[in-house]
Amino acid sequence: SQKIEQNSEALNIQEGKTATLTCNYTNYSPAYLQWYRQDPGRGPVFLLLIRENEKEKRKERLKVTFDTTLKQSLFHITASQPADSATYLCAGGEGNTPLVFGKGTRLSVIA
Amino acid sequence: DVKVTQSSRYLVKRTGEKVFLECVQDMDHENMFWYRQDPGLGLRLIYFSYDVKMKEKGDIPEGYSVSREKKERFSLILESASTNQTSMYLCASSFLGRNEQYFGPGTRLTVT
Repeated sequence: SQKIEQNSEALNIQEGKTATLTCNYTNYSPAYLQWYRQDPGRGPVFLLLIRENEKEKRKERLKVTFDTTLKQSLFHITASQPADSATYLCAGGEGNTPLVFGKGTRLSVIA
Repeated sequence: DVKVTQSSRYLVKRTGEKVFLECVQDMDHENMFWYRQDPGLGLRLIYFSYDVKMKEKGDIPEGYSVSREKKERFSLILESASTNQTSMYLCASSFLGRNEQYFGPGTRLTVT
């Protein structure tokens, strides 16, 4: 079955460093990948979308890559802050079919 | 700003009760989705709808049904609540062909 895997359940980093989260997909080829942020007790919030023909996308301190050879997306937060602490979800999709979500990585930025 | 609202933030029901969870979006989105989220299992799709009166089963539809009589409203129904349906329920919506989803705040349902 189609799978999105986020290998790290949790990641701790020091404030000011770059956080890098990994998303791998198996058994399908998503046309795009999306990243969401979820705070405890809240619904996910859309952050970025990257299409399979795009190598990299940036938005402020966020950067996402899409490597179709490695079947992987990397999500970077530069100059991380304690306010960036949250769970980050990766999701893959094609056309108008429902997204396939990973289980998320819980990021903790330590001051 | 897109707004997706859910009828309750917290709900406590007894086993066997019929439960209605309502979701309303104000952005004229065609697509609407119901998920449940459990620790260690991530988001799992229950049902989705691409249009009024249309519904499609997701990955875990058993024990649930849905209703979409108006474009902006998508209801999730638990016909006879069971304890294993205790969970966080999240509604989402999106435009047709544009799959960034907008989520509601969630309903934490406890079935005792």
